[in-house]
Amino acid sequence: SQTIHQWPATLVQPVGSPLSLECTVEGTSNPNLYWYRQAAGRGLQLLFYSVGIGQISSEVPQNLSASRPQDRQFILSSKKLLLSDSGFYLCAWNLYSLAGGLDTQYFGPGTRLTVL
Amino acid sequence: AQKITQTQPGMFVQEKEAVTLDCTYDTSDPSYGLFWYKQPSSGEMIFLIYQGSYDQQNATEGRYSLNFQKARKSANLVISASQLGDSAMYFCAMRGENRDDKIIFGKGTRLHILP
Repeated sequence: SQTIHQWPATLVQPVGSPLSLECTVEGTSNPNLYWYRQAAGRGLQLLFYSVGIGQISSEVPQNLSASRPQDRQFILSSKKLLLSDSGFYLCAWNLYSLAGGLDTQYFGPGTRLTVL
Repeated sequence: AQKITQTQPGMFVQEKEAVTLDCTYDTSDPSYGLFWYKQPSSGEMIFLIYQGSYDQQNATEGRYSLNFQKARKSANLVISASQLGDSAMYFCAMRGENRDDKIIFGKGTRLHILP
Protein backbone atom coordinates (compact mmCIF):
# COMPACT_ATOMS: atom_id res chain seq x y z
CA SER A 1 0.00 0.00 0.00
CA GLN A 2 0.99 3.59 -0.48
CA THR A 3 2.25 5.77 2.38
CA ILE A 4 3.23 9.40 2.54
CA HIS A 5 5.63 10.76 5.13
CA GLN A 6 6.33 14.30 6.22
CA TRP A 7 8.85 15.66 8.66
CA PRO A 8 9.25 17.33 10.94
CA ALA A 9 5.79 17.24 12.51
CA THR A 10 6.23 20.61 14.21
CA LEU A 11 8.78 23.36 13.77
CA VAL A 12 9.41 26.70 15.43
CA GLN A 13 11.76 28.97 13.53
CA PRO A 14 12.87 32.60 13.89
CA VAL A 15 12.15 35.13 11.19
CA GLY A 16 14.90 35.17 8.58
CA SER A 17 16.00 31.60 9.16
CA PRO A 18 16.02 28.97 6.40
CA LEU A 19 13.44 26.20 6.01
CA SER A 20 13.45 22.70 4.63
CA LEU A 21 10.41 20.44 4.82
CA GLU A 22 10.57 16.99 3.34
CA CYS A 23 7.89 14.72 1.93
CA THR A 24 8.40 11.17 0.70
CA VAL A 25 6.00 8.66 -0.78
CA GLU A 26 6.23 4.89 -0.61
CA GLY A 27 4.51 2.23 -2.61
CA THR A 28 4.04 4.04 -5.89
CA SER A 29 6.07 5.40 -8.76
CA ASN A 30 5.87 8.65 -10.70
CA PRO A 31 3.25 10.22 -8.44
CA ASN A 32 2.01 13.76 -8.85
CA LEU A 33 3.10 15.57 -5.70
CA TYR A 34 1.71 18.72 -4.09
CA TRP A 35 2.53 21.19 -1.33
CA TYR A 36 -0.33 23.04 0.36
CA ARG A 37 -0.37 25.60 3.14
CA GLN A 38 -3.25 26.09 5.50
CA ALA A 39 -3.39 29.18 7.73
CA ALA A 40 -5.13 28.73 11.08
CA GLY A 41 -8.85 28.15 10.55
CA ARG A 42 -8.59 28.63 6.82
CA GLY A 43 -8.76 26.54 3.66
CA LEU A 44 -5.96 24.98 1.65
CA GLN A 45 -3.71 27.08 -0.53
CA LEU A 46 -1.85 25.18 -3.25
CA LEU A 47 1.79 26.26 -3.27
CA PHE A 48 3.57 23.91 -5.67
CA TYR A 49 2.92 20.77 -7.62
CA SER A 50 5.15 18.42 -9.51
CA VAL A 51 4.38 15.86 -12.20
CA GLY A 52 7.91 14.44 -12.33
CA ILE A 53 11.53 14.76 -11.25
CA GLY A 54 12.76 18.31 -11.64
CA GLN A 55 9.32 19.52 -12.80
CA ILE A 56 7.85 22.13 -10.47
CA SER A 57 4.87 24.39 -11.01
CA SER A 58 4.44 27.35 -8.69
CA GLU A 59 0.98 28.58 -7.90
CA VAL A 60 1.70 31.53 -5.66
CA PRO A 61 4.66 33.95 -5.88
CA GLN A 62 6.38 34.02 -2.51
CA ASN A 63 9.67 33.41 -0.78
CA LEU A 64 9.19 29.64 -0.86
CA SER A 65 10.59 27.19 -3.38
CA ALA A 66 10.17 23.50 -4.06
CA SER A 67 12.35 20.80 -5.51
CA ARG A 68 11.89 17.21 -6.53
CA PRO A 69 15.31 15.57 -6.56
CA GLN A 70 13.92 12.01 -6.69
CA ASP A 71 10.75 10.43 -8.00
CA ARG A 72 9.17 10.05 -4.58
CA GLN A 73 10.71 12.99 -2.75
CA PHE A 74 9.36 16.53 -2.63
CA ILE A 75 11.07 19.30 -0.66
CA LEU A 76 9.75 22.70 0.34
CA SER A 77 12.36 25.33 1.14
CA SER A 78 12.92 28.93 2.03
CA LYS A 79 16.10 30.94 2.37
CA LYS A 80 14.56 33.46 4.79
CA LEU A 81 11.29 32.82 6.60
CA LEU A 82 8.67 35.52 7.11
CA LEU A 83 6.10 35.75 9.88
CA SER A 84 3.42 35.14 7.24
CA ASP A 85 4.95 31.75 6.45
CA SER A 86 3.48 30.32 9.65
CA GLY A 87 0.88 27.66 8.99
CA PHE A 88 0.17 24.00 8.50
CA TYR A 89 2.00 22.54 5.52
CA LEU A 90 0.56 19.49 3.85
CA CYS A 91 2.13 17.30 1.22
CA ALA A 92 -0.15 15.24 -1.00
CA TRP A 93 -0.01 12.82 -3.91
CA ASN A 94 -2.46 11.63 -6.52
CA LEU A 95 -3.68 8.12 -7.01
CA TYR A 96 -4.97 8.04 -10.55
CA SER A 97 -6.58 4.94 -11.95
CA LEU A 98 -6.48 4.65 -15.71
CA ALA A 99 -9.05 1.89 -15.44
CA GLY A 100 -11.49 4.31 -13.91
CA GLY A 101 -12.90 4.25 -10.45
CA LEU A 102 -10.99 5.73 -7.59
CA ASP A 103 -8.97 8.82 -8.38
CA THR A 104 -8.08 10.85 -5.39
CA GLN A 105 -5.43 12.77 -3.53
CA TYR A 106 -3.94 11.50 -0.30
CA PHE A 107 -2.32 13.72 2.27
CA GLY A 108 0.62 13.39 4.61
CA PRO A 109 0.30 14.11 8.32
CA GLY A 110 1.46 17.70 7.89
CA THR A 111 4.05 20.01 9.43
CA ARG A 112 2.95 22.77 11.74
CA LEU A 113 5.33 25.70 11.27
CA THR A 114 5.48 28.66 13.62
CA VAL A 115 7.66 31.58 12.65
CA LEU A 116 8.50 33.92 15.55
CA ALA B 1 -11.26 28.29 -14.74
CA GLN B 2 -12.43 25.80 -12.17
CA LYS B 3 -14.04 26.93 -8.96
CA ILE B 4 -15.44 25.28 -5.85
CA THR B 5 -17.89 27.07 -3.57
CA GLN B 6 -18.89 26.06 -0.08
CA THR B 7 -21.38 28.58 1.24
CA GLN B 8 -21.73 27.27 4.79
CA PRO B 9 -18.81 28.42 6.93
CA GLY B 10 -20.23 26.63 9.97
CA MET B 11 -23.05 24.28 10.94
CA PHE B 12 -24.47 22.98 14.21
CA VAL B 13 -26.34 19.69 14.11
CA GLN B 14 -27.84 17.49 16.79
CA GLU B 15 -26.26 14.07 17.20
CA LYS B 16 -27.95 11.27 15.21
CA GLU B 17 -29.50 13.68 12.74
CA ALA B 18 -28.55 13.63 9.06
CA VAL B 19 -26.34 16.44 7.75
CA THR B 20 -26.04 17.92 4.28
CA LEU B 21 -22.95 19.97 3.46
CA ASP B 22 -23.32 22.07 0.34
CA CYS B 23 -20.85 22.27 -2.51
CA THR B 24 -21.22 23.82 -5.94
CA TYR B 25 -18.63 23.85 -8.64
CA ASP B 26 -17.85 25.41 -11.97
CA THR B 27 -15.81 23.90 -14.78
CA SER B 28 -15.73 23.71 -18.55
CA ASP B 29 -14.08 20.28 -18.59
CA PRO B 30 -16.30 17.55 -20.03
CA SER B 31 -15.14 15.13 -17.35
CA TYR B 32 -13.95 15.76 -13.84
CA GLY B 33 -13.79 14.30 -10.35
CA LEU B 34 -15.29 15.57 -7.13
CA PHE B 35 -14.03 14.78 -3.65
CA TRP B 36 -14.83 15.37 -0.03
CA TYR B 37 -12.27 15.48 2.76
CA LYS B 38 -12.60 15.65 6.52
CA GLN B 39 -10.11 17.52 8.66
CA PRO B 40 -10.44 16.93 12.41
CA SER B 41 -8.69 19.15 14.94
CA SER B 42 -5.56 17.00 14.63
CA GLY B 43 -5.03 18.51 11.18
CA GLU B 44 -4.88 15.37 9.08
CA MET B 45 -6.83 15.42 5.84
CA ILE B 46 -8.96 12.32 5.52
CA PHE B 47 -10.38 11.31 2.17
CA LEU B 48 -14.08 10.50 2.46
CA ILE B 49 -15.66 9.99 -0.93
CA TYR B 50 -15.16 10.44 -4.67
CA GLN B 51 -17.60 11.01 -7.53
CA GLY B 52 -16.67 10.90 -11.20
CA SER B 53 -18.65 13.17 -13.48
CA TYR B 54 -19.70 10.26 -15.69
CA ASP B 55 -20.68 7.98 -12.85
CA GLN B 56 -24.34 7.13 -13.20
CA GLN B 57 -24.95 6.55 -9.53
CA ASN B 58 -24.24 8.72 -6.54
CA ALA B 59 -21.19 7.59 -4.60
CA THR B 60 -21.66 6.10 -1.14
CA GLU B 61 -19.15 5.12 1.53
CA GLY B 62 -20.70 3.90 4.73
CA ARG B 63 -22.53 6.82 6.35
CA TYR B 64 -21.30 9.20 3.64
CA SER B 65 -23.06 9.75 0.36
CA LEU B 66 -22.55 12.33 -2.34
CA ASN B 67 -25.68 13.89 -3.78
CA PHE B 68 -24.43 14.63 -7.29
CA GLN B 69 -26.64 16.84 -9.45
CA LYS B 70 -24.69 17.43 -12.61
CA ALA B 71 -27.09 19.87 -14.25
CA ARG B 72 -27.04 22.05 -11.15
CA LYS B 73 -23.29 21.57 -10.70
CA SER B 74 -23.68 20.57 -7.11
CA ALA B 75 -22.00 17.81 -5.12
CA ASN B 76 -23.40 17.90 -1.63
CA LEU B 77 -22.11 15.57 1.06
CA VAL B 78 -24.71 13.79 3.15
CA ILE B 79 -23.76 12.27 6.48
CA SER B 80 -26.41 9.98 7.90
CA ALA B 81 -26.89 9.42 11.63
CA SER B 82 -24.28 11.96 12.68
CA GLN B 83 -21.90 11.18 15.52
CA LEU B 84 -19.88 13.36 17.86
CA GLY B 85 -16.74 12.25 16.04
CA ASP B 86 -18.05 13.84 12.87
CA SER B 87 -17.25 17.28 14.27
CA ALA B 88 -14.55 18.59 11.96
CA MET B 89 -13.82 20.80 8.99
CA TYR B 90 -15.09 19.44 5.68
CA PHE B 91 -13.64 20.35 2.31
CA CYS B 92 -15.12 19.83 -1.13
CA ALA B 93 -12.59 19.51 -3.95
CA MET B 94 -12.47 19.05 -7.67
CA ARG B 95 -10.06 17.89 -10.34
CA GLY B 96 -10.13 18.18 -14.11
CA GLU B 97 -10.01 15.35 -16.60
CA ASN B 98 -6.28 15.20 -17.12
CA ARG B 99 -3.95 13.26 -14.88
CA ASP B 100 -1.79 16.29 -14.29
CA ASP B 101 -4.65 18.60 -13.41
CA LYS B 102 -4.33 19.97 -9.92
CA ILE B 103 -7.07 19.57 -7.34
CA ILE B 104 -8.72 22.73 -6.14
CA PHE B 105 -10.44 23.01 -2.78
CA GLY B 106 -13.36 24.95 -1.40
CA LYS B 107 -12.94 27.05 1.73
CA GLY B 108 -14.52 24.43 3.92
CA THR B 109 -17.45 24.03 6.29
CA ARG B 110 -16.92 23.57 10.02
CA LEU B 111 -19.40 21.03 11.33
CA HIS B 112 -20.25 20.87 15.04
CA ILE B 113 -22.22 17.86 16.29
CA LEU B 114 -24.12 18.60 19.48
CA PRO B 115 -24.77 15.88 22.10
